Amino acid sequence: TQLLEQSPQFLSIQEGENLTVYCNSSSVFSSLQWYRQEPGEGPVLLVTVVTGGEVKKLKRLTFQFGDARKDSSLHITAAQPGDTGLYLCAAGGTSYGKLTFGQGTILTVHP
Amino acid sequence: NAGVTQTPKFQVLKTGQSMTLQCAQDMNHNSMYWYRQDPGMGLRLIYYSASEGTTDKGEVPNGYNVSRLNKREFSLRLESAAPSQTSVYFCASSQQTQGYYGYTFGSGTRLTVV
Repeated sequence: TQLLEQSPQFLSIQEGENLTVYCNSSSVFSSLQWYRQEPGEGPVLLVTVVTGGEVKKLKRLTFQFGDARKDSSLHITAAQPGDTGLYLCAAGGTSYGKLTFGQGTILTVHP
Repeated sequence: NAGVTQTPKFQVLKTGQSMTLQCAQDMNHNSMYWYRQDPGMGLRLIYYSASEGTTDKGEVPNGYNVSRLNKREFSLRLESAAPSQTSVYFCASSQQTQGYYGYTFGSGTRLTVV
C-alpha cells in the first residue's frame, strides 16, 4: 500500500495570501489526483497528473507532479474564502483504479 | 444527472444492530468503491468492485460485506455494528479515461454507533 503524507495538516490564512500544500511518498505513483471536499459533501476531483514534471493550472490553482513521480504540490494564488475546504491528494491508477488518499489539508481562508 | 446517490444521509445504530448502506450511480461506470473517512486519517478503502459481478477487499474490510447488485448499485452491509465503525462512509464510482481513473463521490452517510 502506498503511503501518502500531506503537509501541512492545517492552514489558516488571510484572503489574498498565497499557499502551497504538499503530497509526498516513498513510492512512485502511476498517477496522482487532487480533490477538494466541503463540509457535508463528498470530495470533488480537481485534477489528475500522470507525467513526471507535469504542471497543470486551474484558474488560481497550480498543480505540479514531481519529476520522479513521488511527490506533488498544490499552489493557490491570492486565496479567497471560497477556497476554504479539505484538500486531498490521492495516488493510484493501478489495478481497477484503486486510490490511496493522503490524510488531507484543512484550509481556512479568512475574509 | 444525479451522479452517485447514497442513502441514508444519517444513521444512528446501537451496538450489535445491522444495516445496509445503499449506493447507486447513473454514469454507466464499471468500478465502484466504498471508503470510510475518519478525522486525521483521510479516506480508507473498505471494499471495491472492479466490474459487475466482482468484489474485492480493500484496506479495512473487517466487519463489512458488500454486494454489487448490478452495474448501477453497490451496497455496504454492517452485520453487527460496533462503535469503531462510527464514521462517514462514501461511495464512489469511476471509469478509466486515458489511462487513469477519476472518482465521482456521493455525498456520504454519517453513521454513529452507540
